[in-house]
Amino acid sequence: EPEVTQTPSHQVTQMGQEVILRCVPISNHLYFYWYRQILGQKVEFLVSFYNNEISEKSEIFDDQFSVERPDGSNFTLKIRSTKLEDSAMYFCASSEALGIAKNIQYFGAGTRLSVL
Amino acid sequence: AQTVTQSQPEMSVQEAETVTLSCTYDTSESNYYLFWYKQPPSRQMILVIRQEAYKQQNATENRFSVNFQKAAKSFSLKISDSQLGDTAMYFCALLMDSNYQLIWGAGTKLIIKP
Repeated sequence: EPEVTQTPSHQVTQMGQEVILRCVPISNHLYFYWYRQILGQKVEFLVSFYNNEISEKSEIFDDQFSVERPDGSNFTLKIRSTKLEDSAMYFCASSEALGIAKNIQYFGAGTRLSVL
Repeated sequence: AQTVTQSQPEMSVQEAETVTLSCTYDTSESNYYLFWYKQPPSRQMILVIRQEAYKQQNATENRFSVNFQKAAKSFSLKISDSQLGDTAMYFCALLMDSNYQLIWGAGTKLIIKP
């Protein structure tokens, strides 16, 4: 069964450093998403991406964050200068399309980001 | 604004019992989807079941079924014949047809005891 793959599973970084979280969405999917889950809190939407553009982003997704699809398979989330409060589980998801029956978001196993 | 509320932080039942997890939501839109996701200790987010708001029939997936009450804005998950592998956090989530972002509840920690 196709699945969303995320690497690394755990990333430890120093405050102020740049990190790139990587995701390989399901191959025939066209919409890509990042969510984060701070320990003990709700899952929060960060951004959605379609046709090489951001479709929607939340208030959390400020100038410190960026997303990119550098090639035909990878989808990345970059945090330019990490803060302690960026420590969280980051989930990548993908869906085939929008609309009825096709907007099911499938999730990767997550990357745990620890900012020290 | 859309919200999702899960009022049960934690539940535990004996193996083979039936358990129902509650979820209520709020949206002013008429077309939306509701989902239950499971997050086991591995922390992978796994889709359990989904329901389109325009469908009156409750969704069923093997041992998992929902009770969707649109007027009451309620979407509960029933797990029949519970198994040890059902131990996980369960999240209720809402998705509008008009946008892209899942709105999540706070989750219910379900423990299945042997």
